[in-house]
This record gives sequence, C-alpha cells and structure tokens, in this order.
Amino acid sequence: EAGVTQSPTHLIKTRGQQATLRCSPISGHTSVYWYQQALGLGLQFLLWYDEGEERNRGNFPPRFSGRQFPNYSSELNVNALELEDSALYLCASNPFQEQFFGPGTRLTVL
Amino acid sequence: AQSVAQPEDQVNVAEGNPLTVKCTYSVSGNPYLFWYVQYPNRGLQFLLKYITGDNLVKGSYGFEAEFNKSQTSFHLKKPSALVSDSALYFCAVRHTSNTGKLIFGQGTTLQVKP
Repeated sequence: EAGVTQSPTHLIKTRGQQATLRCSPISGHTSVYWYQQALGLGLQFLLWYDEGEERNRGNFPPRFSGRQFPNYSSELNVNALELEDSALYLCASNPFQEQFFGPGTRLTVL
Repeated sequence: AQSVAQPEDQVNVAEGNPLTVKCTYSVSGNPYLFWYVQYPNRGLQFLLKYITGDNLVKGSYGFEAEFNKSQTSFHLKKPSALVSDSALYFCAVRHTSNTGKLIFGQGTTLQVKP
C-alpha cells in the first residue's frame, strides 16, 4: 500500500512569491492534514481538510490556504512568501486516530 | 490550553541499554497520545498510540510506552537500544473532541552510541 506522497521534494522561492505544495493521501483516506516544521518552532498544525471541506485551521495568517480535491488530494498555497516561511511542510492522512505522514516538502524562501 | 512537554532535548544511551524518552501532557478530558520518530530529512513515522485500555502499549521496532494518568505522562521506552534507533522523537496529543490536529512536543534527540 502506497503511503502519503508529497511534491515537490524541494521548493526554492523568493520573498513575495507564491508557493504551491501538493499532497496525496493514502488510498481510502478522506482527511488530509498539513503541518509546518520550522527550525526552532517545532511542528505546528496548519490545516485540516475532510471530504473537500476545511474543518480546522491553525494559528497561521490567511496567506496560508489550501483546498482538497474530489480525489482527496490536497494543495497548500502560501502567498506573499516571507523568509520565516522557510520550513519543512508535512502532510498526513488517517483512517482512525493516528495520522500517517508523508516525506514532506522543504520550502526555502530567499 | 493543550500542550505537550518533552523535558529533554537530547537523551544519550549506550547500545544494549534500556532507553526512556519522557513526555508529559496537559489536556482536559481523556486524550489520545502518540509517539512518532523522524529520521534526518524524512517525514514522521508512527510508532505507537494510547487510546484507552491497558496503560502499557506496544508499538513498532520494539518500542513501548506507559500511560500514567495521575502523572499525565506517556514515556517512551525500549528494553535494549540499537544504534539505528538514533533519531528525533516526538510525543503528540489529540483531544478526543475531533479538532483533527495533533499537538506535538518539541522533540527529543536520541543518540545511541556503540
């Protein structure tokens, strides 16, 4: 069974640009979660999508947004990139209580 | 507010010795508790969970964890450490009201020396 997949692996942008990160959950999972792992800040919850709807949002500004498609894959969009957005962005999906994570997208903002 | 604390930034242990990585939590009601491991430049791998029932839960790679409600702790243990266990370990909690999000501790680096 394939795990959670994320693309791209690495993404380099400049300040002010937009970044789009993609995630495909494990087959059969309808929920997708996004987390940010920034140096010194640990793992922080960003967004939760289920059945195409945003169910919960972490303490991040509105320039962090996303969507979930009918096939349950998801996009995370970060607008007006700032230097402090540089982080590993992790996506997860789950059938029950535990979440299974993808390998992450390393976003570097120059 | 819900929170998770991992009081040790790093734990050093010799190969073959038992290891413990500590975690305490603060959440109202009955939490769901989890341990994850992260290897360099990789995502998080699920190790084990406590939902209800027996306070000692067993997980992947020989790891186990003990839930202690009175001390609000969920320490990760392994009877005999391997060099390959060296990694970053995260404790996480999720409230039983389904907000979806996991709240993570700051992580503990485990270093197992030969």
